[in-house]
Amino acid sequence: NAGVMQNPRHLVRRRGQEARLRCSPMKGHSHVYWYRQLPEEGLKFMVYLQKENIIDESGMPKERFSAEFPKEGPSILRIQQVVRGDSAAYFCASSLYASGGNRDEQYFGPGTRLTVT
Amino acid sequence: RKEVEQDPGPFNVPEGATVAFNCTYSNSASQSFFWYRQDCRKEPKLLMSVYSSGNEDGRFTAQLNRASQYISLLIRDSKLSDSATYLCVEDNYGQNFVFGPGTRLSVLP
Repeated sequence: NAGVMQNPRHLVRRRGQEARLRCSPMKGHSHVYWYRQLPEEGLKFMVYLQKENIIDESGMPKERFSAEFPKEGPSILRIQQVVRGDSAAYFCASSLYASGGNRDEQYFGPGTRLTVT
Repeated sequence: RKEVEQDPGPFNVPEGATVAFNCTYSNSASQSFFWYRQDCRKEPKLLMSVYSSGNEDGRFTAQLNRASQYISLLIRDSKLSDSATYLCVEDNYGQNFVFGPGTRLSVLP
């Protein structure tokens, strides 16, 4: 059973360009979460999605960031007009059950390391 | 959003030692907690789930104290391979996971 997959693993963008990060959850998981980790800092929750629905986007910056999880295909985290401060590791996680109950463990992908030059 | 607090360390211990970390949380309604370990520049990996009073898995024991709102992780007979950052996670009921800043452990030969 393949784990959570993310691509690309490394992404370099110039200031002002767009970054698209992809995440395919574990087989059978329908809950996807995105986190950001700045260098030498902890993980910060960004957004929680189910298929075709954004459940909680309280951690998303108000501008330039968006996320989707379509009926078919991977979840996408999109960052428009990137700035140097967006450089970070972006981790995706998936779970079998929704947050708040038993067996809602989240399993993480290897992350995408975004560097903005 | 409620905070999860951890001592950042580092904890430097010799091989074979027993080491314990604590983590405090602030939402008394939270039902489940987790310990993850994260190696440098890698993704967090689930170590243990803590749903009731505690959980034990080999050399690792996690305990939950609801009255004082903290969870602990005990590592016995520590190995070099245990060197990592240990992340305490609160499932902030219905509001997703809140990660602590992590406690860094170095096991020395």
